[in-house]
Amino acid sequence: SFELTQPPSVSVSPGQTASITCSGDKLGYKYACWYQQKPGQSPVLVIYQDSKRPSGIPERFSGSNSGNTATLTISGTQAMDEADYYCQAWDSNVVFGGGTKLTVL
Amino acid sequence: EVQLLESGGGLVQPGGSLRLSCAASGFTFSSYAMAWVRQAPGKGLEWVSAISGSDGNTYYADSVKGRFTISRDNSKNTLYLQMNSLRAEDTAVYYCAKDVILGGTVRGVGFDYWGQGTLVTVSS
Repeated sequence: SFELTQPPSVSVSPGQTASITCSGDKLGYKYACWYQQKPGQSPVLVIYQDSKRPSGIPERFSGSNSGNTATLTISGTQAMDEADYYCQAWDSNVVFGGGTKLTVL
Repeated sequence: EVQLLESGGGLVQPGGSLRLSCAASGFTFSSYAMAWVRQAPGKGLEWVSAISGSDGNTYYADSVKGRFTISRDNSKNTLYLQMNSLRAEDTAVYYCAKDVILGGTVRGVGFDYWGQGTLVTVSS
């Protein structure tokens, strides 16, 4: 079955660029999207169809997808970006990655 | 304003049943696929099921296939999840979510609105 693999944790300093990866077999041939989830809150879609931002999502969030890896990039990371991030793709069914905890130190 | 409001969660014994509802407003409900996603305490997101906007196509995770049934009533703008033969491992917050793409086909390219979730606890 299709699986998506994310690093459990990523750390970044305020103002720096954070990159979170999501790996899956031939993921680049599928659309990937990303969700942000803060403690006690529902997930928020931050990137869909690899690189599109829903309305209201800051421009510092961007995405790419090629080969076997999709990447969520947060430029100029702010303290408010500290959260869990999940990638998701479609392979006959919806598949989520295991999630990455982003810590802004 | 798009709103999704889940209800129907609670405590149920193993082997029991529950029916979750998700009342939608603020968009043309029948024009969008919808899904249920769950999150066990302290764990990640797990997709449960999805349904197309109007042609009735349904999709299920292997972990719930044969036990859960997704449905929708477009005249009432409501999404449902009938859960039978519940197990301890079904304990989770259940979210309903709206597909980001207009058209009603389940494409799995993203869910742009989520409800606040309803907690289902399966325990004796």
